[in-house]
Amino acid sequence: AQTVTQSQPEMSVQEAETVTLSCTYDTSESDYYLFWYKQPPSRQMILVIRQEAYKQQNATENRFSVNFQKAAKSFSLKISDSQLGDAAMYFCAHTTNAGKSTFGDGTTLTVKP
Amino acid sequence: KAGVTQTPRYLIKTRGQQVTLSCSPISGHRSVSWYQQTPGQGLQFLFEYFSETQRNKGNFPGRFSGRQFSNSRSEMNVSTLELGDSALYLCASSLSSVGGVETQYFGPGTRLLVL
Repeated sequence: AQTVTQSQPEMSVQEAETVTLSCTYDTSESDYYLFWYKQPPSRQMILVIRQEAYKQQNATENRFSVNFQKAAKSFSLKISDSQLGDAAMYFCAHTTNAGKSTFGDGTTLTVKP
Repeated sequence: KAGVTQTPRYLIKTRGQQVTLSCSPISGHRSVSWYQQTPGQGLQFLFEYFSETQRNKGNFPGRFSGRQFSNSRSEMNVSTLELGDSALYLCASSLSSVGGVETQYFGPGTRLLVL
């Protein structure tokens, strides 16, 4: 079975600053996918970024990037130039090749103006 | 393209009743997954349907069931409701092409309150 751990229940960042959200996972799979999702107060879950485990290059999407350390089973999310709209709960997820997903407990990010 | 839609958005039931939730995936998406989200347990995977077949299943009792229709729309049923079933139920759809894992797109959820 897979487990995903987000050790930071809450984080805060000043607007325009950079913040890193942590995620570690445990898996018996050799091939899998990792995702970061964002759930704003409106509750609609939105994909932030995805990483295929077989790719060594870290994924980036505009201000969002990941630090994927496969050996350490670590998958952190870095948000640069934080904006007020980034305030949300962020979930890290592991998905097997068969399509079964396991989510972390989430990190609530507050952005201070 | 229209996003994932879920109906109803809010529901109040009493213990012992049953409930059916509906999910319409994004057009062209063939995989539908269901999740239960609660403050205490986080996001828990219920099951996934692909081409009208249950392909993956989480660790929930048999009171939780689902099905998928030929147009990929999916329903989730919970029988003999318990207070602990109060939660936000999220549906997610994906293309689910062969040979890879597609990104899931989530609906707004159905908030179920069991009294």
